[in-house]
Amino acid sequence: GAVVSQHPSRVICKSGTSVKIECRSLDFQATTMFWYRQFPKKSLMLMATSNEGSKATYEQGVEKDKFLINHASLTLSTLTVTSAHPEDSSFYICSARGGLAGGDTQYFGPGTRLTVL
Amino acid sequence: AQRVTQPEKLLSVFKGAPVELKCNYSYSGSPELFWYVQYSRQRLQLLLRHISRESIKGFTADLNKGETSFHLKKPFAQEEDSAMYYCALSAGRETSGSRLTFGEGTQLTVNP
Repeated sequence: GAVVSQHPSRVICKSGTSVKIECRSLDFQATTMFWYRQFPKKSLMLMATSNEGSKATYEQGVEKDKFLINHASLTLSTLTVTSAHPEDSSFYICSARGGLAGGDTQYFGPGTRLTVL
Repeated sequence: AQRVTQPEKLLSVFKGAPVELKCNYSYSGSPELFWYVQYSRQRLQLLLRHISRESIKGFTADLNKGETSFHLKKPFAQEEDSAMYYCALSAGRETSGSRLTFGEGTQLTVNP
């Protein structure tokens, strides 16, 4: 139980285009999902917290107009990188809070590798 | 503000040796502490959480509030334990919306 999926697993796009990444909780309802960015050999940096049915809460320094987050249902959150540039190339990971463990346990997706040319 | 420190970026031990991955935190309230593990080319996965007081894959971790530590230990390391280990802290749903603060991670290598 408590499986989180992400789609796509990797995407390559041209500079200036927008890319949407989906995060789904497959076997539980997640009222809260989180979006992280991970740089090579570095820790995870929280970008935003997404609550179902409400606006996302962005961390300091993260541009909300650049990284659009939508959490339309209890099992789906999307991250759209708008007008992507090479510096946006990174590994994006989502997580969902919930599942049988309860509490503040987060379950992570496999990540999406974004490369902007 | 909360902070998690993992002082060792790299840790190398031989198979069968004891291993301890250090984690210290700073937070004035009552945190919830976690250890996550990331095996090569796999997703981050929960290893254990302090409130469960469980042992997973032979690993244990005890929350020491006096020393503000949550070190991960295993008496006999195995080669399959080689992975990246992250210590994480949650200040709780009411305080921080269950946001996790991660340490920088420790890359554990268990040599044959």
